[in-house]
Amino acid sequence: SAVISQKPSRDICQRGTSLTIQCQVDSQVTMMFWYRQQPGQSLTLIATANQGSEATYESGFVIDKFPISRPNLTFSTLTVSNLSPEDSSIYLCSVRQGGSGYTFGSGTRLTVV
Amino acid sequence: SQQGEEDPQALSIQEGENATMNCSYKTSINNLQWYRQNSGRGLVHLILIRSNEREKHSGRLRVTLDTSKKSSSLLITASRAADTASYFCATDGRGSTLGRLYFGRGTQLTVWP
Repeated sequence: SAVISQKPSRDICQRGTSLTIQCQVDSQVTMMFWYRQQPGQSLTLIATANQGSEATYESGFVIDKFPISRPNLTFSTLTVSNLSPEDSSIYLCSVRQGGSGYTFGSGTRLTVV
Repeated sequence: SQQGEEDPQALSIQEGENATMNCSYKTSINNLQWYRQNSGRGLVHLILIRSNEREKHSGRLRVTLDTSKKSSSLLITASRAADTASYFCATDGRGSTLGRLYFGRGTQLTVWP
């Protein structure tokens, strides 16, 4: 199965700044997915990132707040912009493993102060 | 929007006992998956059951799926302290939602030595 390297593992950011999260996969994948997990909550899909096209965002998430890049089939970034305390969450990327479920990155724990 | 709803929200048992977690969902699915998360880190894929399957086993895990009731259960037999984690069900839909996972709220399992 694919191995995902997600960075940073955690960060503390000031209000109004931005954080960019990177995910590197050790194999080529068509789609990468970005999730948010708010404190004590489940995971919510933010967007699907396809190489060569704009990301597809879920209801409640917009490109201006969560811009995504997907320059090639092994890499993607998620930026969380104009940070506020409500953005404090764990952010995770994932890739599909054929018919065998999904592999997730180890997560980025973001705290906004 | 999230589809799965797990119960119980929290489960506390002794080592050696069995743990059963339930999940309900709302719409048609391609498959249903169970994941484990330790202390807010990345998710680990446990098992996938397809919509045309009724039961599946993997080691100490047993998953059932009842598509008529839109529900699934995860049984962990002979639990160990190392099984302490949050467990999530996730549905992988059909058509336009294929490939995008929708997670339940999770069950926090604590196994006491």
